[in-house]
Amino acid sequence: EPEVTQTPSHQVTQMGQEVILRCVPISNHLYFYWYRQILGQKVEFLVSFYNNEISEKSEIFDDQFSVERPDGSNFTLKIRSTKLEDSAMYFCATPGYTADTQYFGPGTRLTVL
Amino acid sequence: DAKTTQPTSMDCAEGRAANLPCNHSTISGNEYVYWYRQIHSQGPQYIIHGLKNNETNEMASLIITEDRKSSTLILPHATLRDTAVYYCIALTDSWGKLQFGAGTQVVVTP
Repeated sequence: EPEVTQTPSHQVTQMGQEVILRCVPISNHLYFYWYRQILGQKVEFLVSFYNNEISEKSEIFDDQFSVERPDGSNFTLKIRSTKLEDSAMYFCATPGYTADTQYFGPGTRLTVL
Repeated sequence: DAKTTQPTSMDCAEGRAANLPCNHSTISGNEYVYWYRQIHSQGPQYIIHGLKNNETNEMASLIITEDRKSSTLILPHATLRDTAVYYCIALTDSWGKLQFGAGTQVVVTP
C-alpha cells in the first residue's frame, strides 16, 4: 500500500497559537485532501487541493485555516489562531497510483490547551 | 452522493466470515460503492470499491445487489486485526471528498 506520512504525530499548543501540520504525499500527485476527526466523532472533510488551488472546502474550513504546497514535495495545513475546539486528529490523504482511491496518512493529534 | 445506512455494530468470531451490510437505496447509476475501515485512531484504510459487478481483492469481497440498492462487504476469514470501524461510502467522483458516516464497529473475538 502506498505510504503517506504526516508530521508531527502529536502537537500540543496553547489556544491562540498558530500550528502547521505537514504531510508528505504519494509522490508526484497534485491532489490532496485534509480531514479531521474530533475524539469520538466521525471523520470530517476539510478541504481538497489540486494543482496549488483549493478545489473544494467544507464549512469547517474557515479563514483560520489555510493549505499550501510550499516546495512540491510536501503540503501543509495551517491553523492561524487555534481554539479549544480545534483539538482533533488531522488526516491528510492523496490518491493512489490508480487515482481511484484515497490513501490516508497516520494523522496528527492536535491538542489545544 | 447517496446516503448510506449501516448497522451500528456487529461481532464476529475469529476465523469466520464477517458479512457487513450497507443500504444505499438512493444510489445513482454512476455512483460507486466504496469501503474503508479505521482501526482505532489510525487513518482510514481503503478496502475495496465497485460499481455493478462483484469485486474481490486480497482484503475482501464486495457483493452488490442487482438493483444496486444494497451491498455486502465480506471479510472471508476474520482475524483480531480486523477489529475496526467499517465505512460504506457512495461516491460519484473518485477525486471527490469522502463523506464518512458513523460506520459499523466490528469486533472480532477469539
